[in-house]
Amino acid sequence: NAGVMQNPRHLVRRRGQEARLRCSPMKGHSHVYWYRQLPEEGLKFMVYLQKENIIDESGMPKERFSAEFPKEGPSILRIQQVVRGDSAAYFCASSPRTLRRNQPQHFGDGTRLSIL
Amino acid sequence: AQSVSQHNHHVILSEAASLELGCNYSYGGTVNLFWYVQYPGQHLQLLLKYFSGDPLVKGIKGFEAEFIKSKFSFNLRKPSVQWSDTAEYFCAAKEGGGADGLTFGKGTHLIIQP
Repeated sequence: NAGVMQNPRHLVRRRGQEARLRCSPMKGHSHVYWYRQLPEEGLKFMVYLQKENIIDESGMPKERFSAEFPKEGPSILRIQQVVRGDSAAYFCASSPRTLRRNQPQHFGDGTRLSIL
Repeated sequence: AQSVSQHNHHVILSEAASLELGCNYSYGGTVNLFWYVQYPGQHLQLLLKYFSGDPLVKGIKGFEAEFIKSKFSFNLRKPSVQWSDTAEYFCAAKEGGGADGLTFGKGTHLIIQP
């Protein structure tokens, strides 16, 4: 059990559709991070959220991509009007709510998004 | 821009061989460094981390890494690998002290032959 729960594990969409990826952080964690892994590439940071706040979205594409982490429920990464280039593995990570700053991130199993 | 480089994309070793995977980073200031492993079909797991203090870091499963500030390196080592070490290994870094996103290397695919 990874602790960080992502669903779905696999998602297939046609070009132009919307993709919603969900992430529930580990219990007690209030920091959530989203990463994208393109084929043959390392993970690329996309966005960092705390409850109801986007802290750093410097890695998010300017259009079609959005993320939220509501007070209740999982974090959602939303991709509108998907294109073939969005095909990738999307990983979520979480770290604890703590005054200590140096906390490692714990990863989920990822969502493999395929665009037809 | 901050970056992390892993020199070897694919490494094939025999069981009991010694392992060293290279990792270099480009951060100028205080840096936190990590090695993650991803076994086939599984999530990324933290092998070890460096925040400060002793530059030789011990991790799980017999792995260790050495932070050499002058070389901007954080190489992963294991004296004797096992078949079960077959996996993808990722080096990652972030600026020290913050709860920031990690910068990852492209990964090294390690195959251990029995």
